[in-house]
Amino acid sequence: EAGVTQSPRYAVLQEGQAVSFWCDPISGHDTLYWYQQPRDQGPQLLVYFRDEAVIDNSQLPSDRFSAVRPKGTNSTLKIQSAKQGDTATYLCASSSDWGRRNTLYFGAGTRLSVL
Amino acid sequence: QQKVQQSPESLTVSEGAMASLNCTFSDGTSNNFRWYRQHSAKGLEVLVSIFSDGEKEEGRFTAHLNRANLHVSLHIREPQPSDSAVYLCAVSGSNYQLIWGSGTKLIIKP
Repeated sequence: EAGVTQSPRYAVLQEGQAVSFWCDPISGHDTLYWYQQPRDQGPQLLVYFRDEAVIDNSQLPSDRFSAVRPKGTNSTLKIQSAKQGDTATYLCASSSDWGRRNTLYFGAGTRLSVL
Repeated sequence: QQKVQQSPESLTVSEGAMASLNCTFSDGTSNNFRWYRQHSAKGLEVLVSIFSDGEKEEGRFTAHLNRANLHVSLHIREPQPSDSAVYLCAVSGSNYQLIWGSGTKLIIKP
């Protein structure tokens, strides 16, 4: 069974440039998460979807970040006008159930550097 | 708001010796505890999930949970150099959202 796939693996930008990250979750997983992981810190939830619906995007900086999952499968996270503070690894995860016992499966992440 | 702290920040252990990692949390109603491992340039891999006080073993990995002491630990039996990685603790409560610690960097010396 294929795992969670993310691309690109690395991105280097100048401040003010835009970038998109793509995620293909495990087949059949209805819940998809995007996390931001700054260096030497734990992941911080940005947004998560159940099917195509956004369930919680309260931690997503809405002025520059957007995320979509139009068909309830693949997802794209976009940063408009990147800032140096956006430098981090962006992780996508998926799960097949909900509640206390759901396990999140992660992709390898996209490492973003904003110069 | 839930706070999750891990200690030590870094740990070096000789191959074959037991490695013990600690995680404290602030919300005593938490009921979902996970240990993940993160190898450099790789995604997070779940090691052990525990939901009630006591012990849960998954192969060489054993988690101990004591909610009264707001503490969950991970013990790695007979660690190998390939176990060198960052180990992350994640905790959630009634809203099921995981709150993560900053990790312990574990180095296993041959």
